[in-house]
Amino acid sequence: GDSVTQMEGPVTLSEEAFLTINCTYTATGYPSLFWYVQYPGEGLQLLLKATKADDKGSNKGFEATYRKETTSFHLEKGSVQVSDSAVYFCALGRRDNAGNMLTFGGGTRLMVKP
Amino acid sequence: EPEVTQTPSHQVTQMGQEVILRCVPISNHLYFYWYRQILGQKVEFLVSFYNNEISEKSEIFDDQFSVERPDGSNFTLKIRSTKLEDSAMYFCASSDPVYSNQPQHFGDGTRLSIL
Repeated sequence: GDSVTQMEGPVTLSEEAFLTINCTYTATGYPSLFWYVQYPGEGLQLLLKATKADDKGSNKGFEATYRKETTSFHLEKGSVQVSDSAVYFCALGRRDNAGNMLTFGGGTRLMVKP
Repeated sequence: EPEVTQTPSHQVTQMGQEVILRCVPISNHLYFYWYRQILGQKVEFLVSFYNNEISEKSEIFDDQFSVERPDGSNFTLKIRSTKLEDSAMYFCASSDPVYSNQPQHFGDGTRLSIL
């Protein structure tokens, strides 16, 4: 079945450091890929998405490129801020199903220190 | 920006009791979902719902669970006889019907605590 694997956290960085959170997936067909962010005490917010190979999703300085050859969708940001501290979830959605169930990775907690 | 709303934010229930979690999806969305997140674990899919019927469900979604669209705006998850292991954060989500790969929009969740 479908699965998503993320690097385990927590990831602790200083402000303005470069961020990479690795995400790899296993899926049949051609899934869509998403990054969701969960700030403390809040729900899941869509951060960015990519729907086909070589697409790059971007939002709020974060980027991720859909790499079919390596089945990866790594999240990057050039300069993190304290306000980026949150849990980040990589997810895949199958486009061939009306319900479009999302399969999530385990989440990676990011802590950014001033 | 329209959002998914969930009530209550926190529900405390005695084991064996029935509980209903409520959600109001985004108004023009037609696909609805429930997920749960046990503390410290990954978010898990429970069920998806479209056109007044379940379109997909996971192994977690057994006979003690049911979903309903009782009116034009609410989407509910009922757990018939709660168990300790049902304690989790439950998230409702909805998505636009136009594209099957549209992202799902999530509510802030209901924290369910079973005593």
